Amino acid sequence: QKEVEQNSGPLSVPEGAIASLNCTYSDRGSQSFFWYRQYSGKSPELIMFIYSNGDKEDGRFTAQLNKASQYVSLLIRDSQPSDSATYLCAVNAGTGGGNKLTFGTGTQLKVEL
Amino acid sequence: DTEVTQTPKHLVMGMTNKKSLKCEQHMGHRAMYWYKQKAKKPPELMFVYSYEKLSINESVPSRFSPECPNSSLLNLHLHALQPEDSALYLCASSQDAGFGNTIYFGEGSWLTVV
Repeated sequence: QKEVEQNSGPLSVPEGAIASLNCTYSDRGSQSFFWYRQYSGKSPELIMFIYSNGDKEDGRFTAQLNKASQYVSLLIRDSQPSDSATYLCAVNAGTGGGNKLTFGTGTQLKVEL
Repeated sequence: DTEVTQTPKHLVMGMTNKKSLKCEQHMGHRAMYWYKQKAKKPPELMFVYSYEKLSINESVPSRFSPECPNSSLLNLHLHALQPEDSALYLCASSQDAGFGNTIYFGEGSWLTVV
């Protein structure tokens, strides 16, 4: 059973702080990793993807991947109230059968004024 | 704004009704997907179409019937649904169905079965 695990939260951070969202996965063959943001009542919106070990930065967002530890994280700098949402980690194991994502259950982030 | 467009945004149907959800993408993608998402749960894959052919069916009940008329359009035909089928139905697309391609979601269709 391929699993992707996230802390459901809520994770509360003050405005302007760094929010750190974490995700672990069970399948060592996993090759590509995605972070989606989902506002309540809306569809998932792609934030970032990462394929290689290390950090990848895009504006206020940084994705970090450590395949040896089977761990991927998302850092949000200068958190804003508009960042309050559920963040879904998704993993593509690449074990055949096409482009299938396994999602974690999501972490709810609350950015407080 | 997403370039994957879904209609209708909201649908209420009875258990004996036949209805369809529609999806269109304008990104030239050759893979399209249907996902189902229940409240406070992650999206679950239902079907994958690759180059207009069904490539993955995740053991979805036959009361859900997908159709891909062309590379831009994807339909989900609904018949004899149950109240537990009430959920957010998400259409998505990617450049192709090859491993690792980024998947982009539409805004979803909220389905309520009464």
